[in-house]
Amino acid sequence: NAGVMQNPRHLVRRRGQEARLRCSPVKGHSHVYWYRQLPEEGLKFMVYLQKENIIDESGMPKERFSAEFPKEGPSILRIQQVVRGDSAAYFCASSYRTSGGRYNEQFFGPGTRLTVL
Amino acid sequence: KNEVEQSPQNLTAQEGEFITINCSYSVGISALHWLQQHPGGGIVSLFMLSSGKKKHGRLIATINIQEKHSSLHITASHPRDSAVYICAASYGNKLVFGAGTILRVKS
Repeated sequence: NAGVMQNPRHLVRRRGQEARLRCSPVKGHSHVYWYRQLPEEGLKFMVYLQKENIIDESGMPKERFSAEFPKEGPSILRIQQVVRGDSAAYFCASSYRTSGGRYNEQFFGPGTRLTVL
Repeated sequence: KNEVEQSPQNLTAQEGEFITINCSYSVGISALHWLQQHPGGGIVSLFMLSSGKKKHGRLIATINIQEKHSSLHITASHPRDSAVYICAASYGNKLVFGAGTILRVKS
């Protein structure tokens, strides 16, 4: 049962380092979403991608954060020069769309817990 | 502004009790999701609905489009149901999440 895979599950970085979070969607899903859950806060939308395209990045911080979903391979959420405030759980979800473009259910990955020292 | 309000924030129940968690959203949506999150664990999608009612085992989800309100019911609750339950409204491509309801079912 190949659901959404995320790795690493836990990531520790020192301030100023880079963090790379990977997400492999459900096989056949071409839509990927990234969400962030800060400590003691709810989930927040970050970015929505289709293969090779960023569709909506309205939830991404303006600086240091970027995301990609290449034609081959997993989706990557990249955080440059991490700061303590980036410590959070980052969840990826994937979905497919019908030929009519109807929105479909999102399947969530187990998350990556990022700790910035 | 797209907002999602959940209540109650915390809920403690005795095993076997019927549980209801409520969710209200502010503007029209394309779908409403109920999610479950266990401590330290991932997120499981329980339901996605845009009208009416859905049932899966002891879980029932309803939505009233006119009132912009959804409920999640758990019948014959069990300690293994203890988790955070999150309501999320789908506005086009993105989900807007409620703050979550922390449910604890005692045996």
